[in-house]
Amino acid sequence: NAGVTQTPKFQVLKTGQSMTLQCAQDMNHNSMYWYRQDPGMGLRLIYYSASEGTTDKGEVPNGYNVSRLNKREFSLRLESAAPSQTSVYFCASGNSRDLGYTFGSGTRLTVV
Amino acid sequence: GDSVTQMEGPVTLSEEAFLTINCTYTATGYPSLFWYVQYPGEGLQLLLKATKADDKGSNKGFEATYRKETTSFHLEKGSVQVSDSAVYFCAQISNSGNEKLTFGTGTRLTIIP
Repeated sequence: NAGVTQTPKFQVLKTGQSMTLQCAQDMNHNSMYWYRQDPGMGLRLIYYSASEGTTDKGEVPNGYNVSRLNKREFSLRLESAAPSQTSVYFCASGNSRDLGYTFGSGTRLTVV
Repeated sequence: GDSVTQMEGPVTLSEEAFLTINCTYTATGYPSLFWYVQYPGEGLQLLLKATKADDKGSNKGFEATYRKETTSFHLEKGSVQVSDSAVYFCAQISNSGNEKLTFGTGTRLTIIP
């Protein structure tokens, strides 16, 4: 099915471990985004990429890095995981402010 | 800066009741406005949208009207069903050029038979 694919769906990390969350879209969208979702706080933007080769910080970038590998793929890396990064992470993509974004199904990350 | 404020939850209603979830926004200029829905264990799905003042977005019996004068985009449905139980998010994308989607905190809706 066309859309946004995230891997993995679930992950448990120990404090200090690193990992990369993968995201790929097959809709030829220019813009891609990483959000985290925490109870009572809605979704907060971590990083975004307006086009291939560019990335910018969002609202909560500390502790994360991103790579826009090509037009399809946008990865999120945690270099040294902390319990405060326990969250559900969503990737999204879009082409137009009038159409909104398409979201992936999420990655549930627990840091112990 | 740009922000979205939506009705605190959780909201519990009986089946066939009328639903309103309030949403107001703060933005420079005229943003595009959205309602997203998240069913249990799933990602976010676009429910409806409106891109200019007085536009009405509608889908699956839900409606919301872009009110510039009150900076609001309230979600309504005339007769809710158990299957409407989900978390609803109001969101905006400003016209300042950054294309970032800003969300409200979400409202959890539970419909009881």
